[in-house]
Amino acid sequence: KQEVTQIPAALSVPEGENLVLNCSFTDSAIYNLQWFRQDPGKGLTSLLLIQSSQREQTSGRLNASLDKSSGRSTLYIAASQPGDSATYLCAVRGSYGGATNKLIFGTGTLLAVQP
Amino acid sequence: EAQVTQNPRYLITVTGKKLTVTCSQNMNHEYMSWYRQDPGLGLRQIYYSMNVEVTDKGDVPEGYKVSRKEKRNFPLILESPSPNQTSLYFCASSSSIGLAGLTDTQYFGPGTRLTVL
Repeated sequence: KQEVTQIPAALSVPEGENLVLNCSFTDSAIYNLQWFRQDPGKGLTSLLLIQSSQREQTSGRLNASLDKSSGRSTLYIAASQPGDSATYLCAVRGSYGGATNKLIFGTGTLLAVQP
Repeated sequence: EAQVTQNPRYLITVTGKKLTVTCSQNMNHEYMSWYRQDPGLGLRQIYYSMNVEVTDKGDVPEGYKVSRKEKRNFPLILESPSPNQTSLYFCASSSSIGLAGLTDTQYFGPGTRLTVL
């Protein structure tokens, strides 16, 4: 059964710092991996999606990498800003059978960027 | 504006009183799903639908029902709510999954906070 873990559960950094959020998964047979952002009281917003054949994706100050064989993904945030404060979640979709119909989420990393 | 809407946003009810949480998307998406989010457990999938009249169980379907009579709507039904169904519920949709080259970007609704007393 696929399990997704995100460490740390919470992170506080000063404004301007570069930071890395980690996501690990137990079953490397994935179709894709997504990173989401969740603001308090709101839904999730998709940030980046990496297909299993890709190594990384970039959007602005965000860069997500995927190492499928080791079961790891990282989300790199450059020059962090207070507006980046949110909970960041990763989710994987399996690549076979019924697992392709489901997204398995990690429990998230709560990020606070201090001005 | 492309969006997923849920209603109500907040609901307090009592054990055993049937309720429905509506979900609607305006993007002509085939795939829709329901999740619940609980502290320490993350988001867990309740039910999903690949298209009209096609639904299937997720990881935590007990106590819930869904229907997909129209492409845009995917209501979540709690026939006899219990306190352990107190949670934050999210509806999501995407254009398709499992097809090479097509995006799987999920669009989430704003959430429904349900309290069952």
